[in-house]
Amino acid sequence: DAGVTQSPTHLIKTRGQHVTLRCSPISGHKSVSWYQQVLGQGPQFIFQYYEKEERGRGNFPDRFSARQFPNYSSELNVNALLLGDSALYLCASSFGQGRDTQYFGPGTRLTVL
Amino acid sequence: GQQLNQSPQSMFIQEGEDVSMNCTSSSIFNTWLWYKQDPGEGPVLLIALYKAGELTSNGRLTAQFGITRKDSFLNISASIPSDVGIYFCAGIRSGGSNYKLTFGKGTLLTVNP
Repeated sequence: DAGVTQSPTHLIKTRGQHVTLRCSPISGHKSVSWYQQVLGQGPQFIFQYYEKEERGRGNFPDRFSARQFPNYSSELNVNALLLGDSALYLCASSFGQGRDTQYFGPGTRLTVL
Repeated sequence: GQQLNQSPQSMFIQEGEDVSMNCTSSSIFNTWLWYKQDPGEGPVLLIALYKAGELTSNGRLTAQFGITRKDSFLNISASIPSDVGIYFCAGIRSGGSNYKLTFGKGTLLTVNP
């Protein structure tokens, strides 16, 4: 079975632009979570979605938004990009929410110039 | 954002040695997780702990959920070169529809053959 897939792999944007990152969960998984990992740090939780509803949110500004589609894939949107948004954005999927094991994708490397 | 206190930050050991790392928090978690991340990849789950006091093994890896629910440790016995990577602890607080996963800053492990 395919693991969690993310696209694109790498992305370069300039300040003020908008970006959309995409994630496809493992088949059968209904929950998707998004994380931001700045170089040298652990991942920071952004959102969790389960059954197309937001079930958890980390301490990120409103410029960050996400949604989950009926096929359980998900998009993360970031508006008005700042230099500090440069990071590896990780998506993780799990069968359910809460304590279910999360499986991570390889991430999207976003560079903001 | 909040992160767990993980130590040590880095370790440089000889092949065959045992390794120990730990994670502490000022908050209680109801699940503790340990992940390993290789360069250019997403974190991979090594061990999940669900009950205070629980001791769980996965091959040469052993982890424990602290009795206070505010800490956890991971031991790796008889290290081998492929153990090289960054190890992250993570704690989950979930209740009802509210979910939050917090990562530590990571322990960089280098194994000298």
